Amino acid sequence: GAVVSQHPSWVICKSGTSVKIECRSLDFQATTMFWYRQFPKQSLMLMATSNEGSKATYEQGVEKDKFLINHASLTLSTLTVTSAHPEDSSFYICSASRAGREQFFGPGTRLTVL
Amino acid sequence: GQQVMQIPQYQHVQEGEDFTTYCNSSTTLSNIQWYKQRPGGHPVFLIQLVKSGEVKKQKRLTFQFGEAKKNSSLHITATQTTDVGTYFCAGGASLGKSTFGDGTTLTVKP
Repeated sequence: GAVVSQHPSWVICKSGTSVKIECRSLDFQATTMFWYRQFPKQSLMLMATSNEGSKATYEQGVEKDKFLINHASLTLSTLTVTSAHPEDSSFYICSASRAGREQFFGPGTRLTVL
Repeated sequence: GQQVMQIPQYQHVQEGEDFTTYCNSSTTLSNIQWYKQRPGGHPVFLIQLVKSGEVKKQKRLTFQFGEAKKNSSLHITATQTTDVGTYFCAGGASLGKSTFGDGTTLTVKP
């Protein structure tokens, strides 16, 4: 299957700082990238859908000013958690897809906000 | 909005027993995908079903898509310890977006 990388794999930051997470599709061009959040032993909660060159579509209840998404190219999307707080601590996973087909997931980023 | 329900939430089996997880959508789906997530890992794509009534097999795994394209199942024959993990279905609708079920966590006792 296609390979999607995510960086960093884990990050610890102080409350109030911003954290950027990168998602890259390494061997294919992704028309769409998705950002999920997963709490321990729970399912994946879709945060936003990102299409290259256009604004991300956020799911209900997700603050777009809090979670900034940039989809600069067909192989790169970034999620920036602004002014992070302890309640933002979670596992963030991206996925990349071609034209509505299956999603290939990145390995995830574990964010811990102190 | 679209809801995808998955049952059971947990399943514990003896090695060699069969296992089935079921997925039901509140709306008709364009496709359904199945993923497996090992403990501490990320979801890995298993298969996508598109056609009404479709049945696909991968070794000991059998996937079905209902005639009405609102439900699906994953059946594992003769489970092995390597089958442990959480199995998610994801119902595909428009714009390529999928709604994930809550997952079924499978544990296998050797």
